[in-house]
Amino acid sequence: TQLLEQSPQFLSIQEGENLTVYCNSSSVFSSLQWYRQEPGEGPVLLVTVVTGGEVKKLKRLTFQFGDARKDSSLHITAAQPGDTGLYLCAGARQAGTALIFGKGTTLSVSS
Amino acid sequence: DAGITQSPRHKVTETGTPVTLRCHQTENHRYMYWYRQDPGHGLRLIHYSYGVKDTDKGEVSDGYSVSRSKTEDFLLTLESATSSQTSVYFCAISDRGTNYGYTFGSGTRLTVV
Repeated sequence: TQLLEQSPQFLSIQEGENLTVYCNSSSVFSSLQWYRQEPGEGPVLLVTVVTGGEVKKLKRLTFQFGDARKDSSLHITAAQPGDTGLYLCAGARQAGTALIFGKGTTLSVSS
Repeated sequence: DAGITQSPRHKVTETGTPVTLRCHQTENHRYMYWYRQDPGHGLRLIHYSYGVKDTDKGEVSDGYSVSRSKTEDFLLTLESATSSQTSVYFCAISDRGTNYGYTFGSGTRLTVV
């Protein structure tokens, strides 16, 4: 059973388009994190959200944590080829335990 | 200036042989983790450590053991490698725990033939 479901699994878009990636669960998380991974490298932390309803913006990326702390979304405005990569959401169910990861969304942005 | 390094980066080994992967950090972080990443499964936790000599099992710990005798080193051992353990292995560190995010190493690609 996958605790964190990410959708879509693959996304191929043109430069300048907007997109949203979703991360859903039936479980409550104390925090949700988003990572970006490039081929041959480890994931890199983009953001952590901890409060239900929280919205964080990082340049063209907007992250939202659901009110019930069970889901999150990542919205990219005006995607660029440099945004290409694997986007992973990860949840912490309680302090002291390890992160649970979704399977990821592979994003390809072509110019 | 990487604060976390994994070695080796690539390894090919034969079925039935023991293999040890090393994770070394220079950040003095308390928490260290080993994950494996496979197509269709994402990142799955193997073992983690919350201090020197303090470790616990993760979701896919069968066939793996770990040791942490120093803050900076976390070793992952495949006791008798099998083809199902062919994977990319990632080490991660955290100073304040899960809610504050991880820093990952660059990974070790292990092939068991």
